[in-house]
Amino acid sequence: QLVLTQSPSASASLGASVKLTCTLSSGHSSYAIAWHQQQPEKGPRYLMKLNSDGSHSRGDGIPDRFSGSSSGAERYLTISSLQSEDEADYYCQTWGTGLWVFGGGTKLTVL
Amino acid sequence: EVQLVQSGAEVKKPGESLKISCKGSGYSFTTYWIGWVRQMPGKGLEWMGIIYPGDSDTRYSPSFQGQVTISADKSISTAYLQWSSLKASDTAMYYCARPAIVGAPFDAFDIWGQGTMVTVSS
Repeated sequence: QLVLTQSPSASASLGASVKLTCTLSSGHSSYAIAWHQQQPEKGPRYLMKLNSDGSHSRGDGIPDRFSGSSSGAERYLTISSLQSEDEADYYCQTWGTGLWVFGGGTKLTVL
Repeated sequence: EVQLVQSGAEVKKPGESLKISCKGSGYSFTTYWIGWVRQMPGKGLEWMGIIYPGDSDTRYSPSFQGQVTISADKSISTAYLQWSSLKASDTAMYYCARPAIVGAPFDAFDIWGQGTMVTVSS
């Protein structure tokens, strides 16, 4: 079964970097994912598509402070030079034949 | 500019019907699938189903099959999500979203609508 697992919460200081993790279920380590940001009281915004080899393509207007990387079944979103507006929920998404799957989301707090 | 614009917030009573909409612009509406995603209050994102406006091919998540109907009118570049009998548990924000690749039903969503809040209460 295709499942994405995310830690419920993370925190980091203003100006620092943070690395969020999304883990693919067993047998699905070759899958690409997407990262989406949802700021408080707003809809989701597409950040990037991230492939199993770590290559990624950011959405229009997404700053290069947002980057992606991969290792095995793990997919990472690194945000550098954290700003207050980065405080948000971050969701990973993947897809298979006949379905889309979302992770449970990680709530990022910027201290 | 590529965008999806959804209809406004709705307040309904249990048992009532409802149809919300999602209008695409800035791209060829008939060549990209459109999906619907539910977000219950304080919860995460759940995929409901998708439609290809070009021929109205529709796929549903097993969790939502039989609970909602997805349709599209390509003449006005609009997709719809419909309930025949709402329940209080349908209270949620509903988003439409478009996969990034033309003609591909399953890919990263790169365009999101702004969301439609549906409140069902007696």
